[in-house]
Amino acid sequence: AQTVTQSQPEMSVQEAETVTLSCTYDTSESNYYLFWYKQPPSRQMILVIRQEAYKQQNATENRFSVNFQKAAKSFSLKISDSQLGDTAMYFCAFINYGGSQGNLIFGKGTKLSVKP
Amino acid sequence: DGGITQSPKYLFRKEGQNVTLSCEQNLNHDAMYWYRQDPGQGLRLIYYSQIVNDFQKGDIAEGYSVSREKKESFPLTVTSAQKNPTAFYLCASSIAGGWTEAFFGQGTRLTVV
Repeated sequence: AQTVTQSQPEMSVQEAETVTLSCTYDTSESNYYLFWYKQPPSRQMILVIRQEAYKQQNATENRFSVNFQKAAKSFSLKISDSQLGDTAMYFCAFINYGGSQGNLIFGKGTKLSVKP
Repeated sequence: DGGITQSPKYLFRKEGQNVTLSCEQNLNHDAMYWYRQDPGQGLRLIYYSQIVNDFQKGDIAEGYSVSREKKESFPLTVTSAQKNPTAFYLCASSIAGGWTEAFFGQGTRLTVV
């Protein structure tokens, strides 16, 4: 079975500091995508960053970057210069591509609080 | 503007009744998904569909049913067999295989009264 595990139910960080959210996944497939989604209090899901498994280079998107360790099946999210607007639930997600697989699987989420 | 629309935003159901949640997208996406979100549970997959007239059960399909008669629409029916239906429901769509990202609707909050 394919699973996504987020081991930190809650985290907090001071404004302007850096925080790292952890995610591990389990799959026997070699072709897949990994995502981090943000869900603010409005509950709208917003894509933060995406990583293709075949790419060795870690994805970055402004203040957001990932540390993708394929062999370890690890996909952590680093938020630099944290802002109050970063306060949200963060979900790690995974999807295979190709073949019969195609369902998007989420972890249980990490609730991040950015404190002034 | 292209997007994915869920309706209604809030829905109340009496025990024993079936209720249908609407999900429509105009993004020309082949794949559509229904998730249930409970506190501390993250998003759990109910059903997904990769193509019209075909769909697969997710992890928690019991008590739910879906149809995919049109590419744009993927309604979810919460039946009376679902013992604990009070939850937040999210619909999503993506191109087949999830090549880019999944786009989400704004969700429906279902409450059993």
